[in-house]
Amino acid sequence: EAQVTQNPRYLITVTGKKLTVTCSQNMNHEYMSWYRQDPGLGLRQIYYSMNVEVTDKGDVPEGYKVSRKEKRNFPLILESPSPNQTSLYFCASNKGQGAGTEAFFGQGTRLTVV
Amino acid sequence: AQSVTQPDIHITVSEGASLELRCNYSYGATPYLFWYVQSPGQGLQLLLKYFSGDTLVQGIKGFEAEFKRSQSSFNLRKPSVHWSDAAEYFCAVDSYNFNKFYFGSGTKLNVKP
Repeated sequence: EAQVTQNPRYLITVTGKKLTVTCSQNMNHEYMSWYRQDPGLGLRQIYYSMNVEVTDKGDVPEGYKVSRKEKRNFPLILESPSPNQTSLYFCASNKGQGAGTEAFFGQGTRLTVV
Repeated sequence: AQSVTQPDIHITVSEGASLELRCNYSYGATPYLFWYVQSPGQGLQLLLKYFSGDTLVQGIKGFEAEFKRSQSSFNLRKPSVHWSDAAEYFCAVDSYNFNKFYFGSGTKLNVKP
């Protein structure tokens, strides 16, 4: 089954403790991205990757890092989480090339930073 | 800059009633438009998309949407709502950079029995 898998689904952590949210897709997509969802703000892009070793900032990259060492994986790293990073996070991947291709989303990771 | 507006934060309809969710976008050219649905605790599922051609597009679960260039709108409709349609709905615009979608703030649909 084609899917985007995120782990963990739920995470509670303390301020400053480094964490990684993993994302994996099995569709051989070149393009992957991370979004955060906050009430009243919809989804906002954090980072994206066009291919292995190619990443770039989205609209809200501060406080986050990503890496793309393999095509299927695109982990999101919070080196020093803060309470304002409490949010619902989604990983997405796009098939094909060119604009207009739909994004496939993971089931989300609900992060709470206390 | 591109933007997407969903003016209705919450909508409540009775089961069996018709539904229309509004979406307006700001974009310099004809955009690629999408509607996604998010059920509680779930990720986003694509309902339908508009790229070009016929301005009335059909999607899954009996949904349709109409692109109106003159009004910069892409409203989502369903003739008869089912209780299982209760969810949050997001309109999105593709910025011609397929890595970035601009999402509206979402509309939460509640369905009364």
